[in-house]
Formats: sequence, structure tokens, C-alpha cells
Amino acid sequence: ETGVTQTPRHLVMGMTNKKSLKCEQHLGHNAMYWYKQSAKKPLELMFVYNFKEQTENNSVPSRFSPECPNSSHLFLHLHTLQPEDSALYLCASSQGLGGTDTQYFGPGTRLTVL
Amino acid sequence: QKEVEQNSGPLSVPEGAIASLNCTYSDRGSQSFFWYRQYSGKSPELIMFIYSNGDKEDGRFTAQLNKASQYVSLLIRDSQPSDSATYLCAVNNQAGTALIFGKGTTLSVSS
Repeated sequence: ETGVTQTPRHLVMGMTNKKSLKCEQHLGHNAMYWYKQSAKKPLELMFVYNFKEQTENNSVPSRFSPECPNSSHLFLHLHTLQPEDSALYLCASSQGLGGTDTQYFGPGTRLTVL
Repeated sequence: QKEVEQNSGPLSVPEGAIASLNCTYSDRGSQSFFWYRQYSGKSPELIMFIYSNGDKEDGRFTAQLNKASQYVSLLIRDSQPSDSATYLCAVNNQAGTALIFGKGTTLSVSS
């Protein structure tokens, strides 16, 4: 285990539902990330938080709303998603901000949008 | 758009052989380079990182970096069936705020 946990591990939701993904890191890291991994595509960075402050929003649609209440917890609130949003959503953390420090990944949430 | 390119494979090698995985990147300002391994249905896990030109060895793994050619590679010696996975190359963006990942190369080691 990497010290990064994610819940739920699997989620099926309709397009009108509202749900949230949760990530928690037990590593004492300061930076946290949300990535989307779709089949045949590279990992896509969605959001970056450093010391609870959002430092990067990679042109993500507003139906994805992140929340970082403290350096250990990160949420991704989902509403009115589309079927093409079905993917593996990965959370990661690193000691410092993304470019030079190793990122440790959680197990991911497999999301299916019907 | 800064990019990281990898041959998607699959790369097939027999057990005991050397597997060579390659990656090119477009951002000349990149300074940090990472190799992650991802088993099917699992999340990526770090294998190695390299910052300086040349080779870096860790057990059966060797990372090679050539910044002039914008090229980074991973060699796996004495390949084992348990090495069968997708290998992701990641490069930091010039601002140093995030990693850019390639699509990954799928390696299959046959016994």
C-alpha cells in the first residue's frame, strides 16, 4: 500500500446523480492531485492542490468540482456527468509540488456513468 | 501542448531477456523523469526517477537519460513474467508543477 486511500473503489451513477469521491493520504505530503485515466489515453491531470490551495485546473468541465479541506484529504464532487466521463479516477500525493517530487497513487475509483 | 511519446506495444520478450522501453518528450525545459509500472486494474507505482544525463541503476532496472536528444529509456535485465505490465513514462512540466504522462508501453514477458 502506498499510504494513499480512495473510496469508493467502484461507483456506478446515472447522469442526474450527485456523488463524491474521497482521497486521504497518510504520508504527511503537502500536494495532492486528481487524475483521470481512460482506455488508450495517457493519464490526464485534472486538479492540483498544494497546501490546500488549488494551483492547477487543467480545463476540467465544471461538472467536476474538487475540494481540499486540509493537506490530507481531497474530494471530487460529481454532478450531471456524461457517459464519456466513465474512467478510472486516481488520486496522488507528493511531498512537494508535482514536478520534482515522487507522486504516490491511490488505488483509484472505477467510475461508470450510465 | 507538451507531449510525452511512448510506443504502446505490446513489447514481447522471453523470460531472462533484456526489455528496452523508450520515451521521448517535447519540453526542453523538463528536468525530472519518472518511470511508473501499472499492472492491469491497479494504480501506477514508481519504479525509478532520473534527473541527470546518463544511466541510473537500481537492481534489474536501469534508467537512461539524454536531454540533448530529449529521450529517456528504461532497461529491464533478466525479465520475469511478473514484469508484465504497462510502463508509464512521466516528465515534469517546465513550471515544475505537474507531471505529464505518456500513454504507456505494455510489456509481456513469456516464460
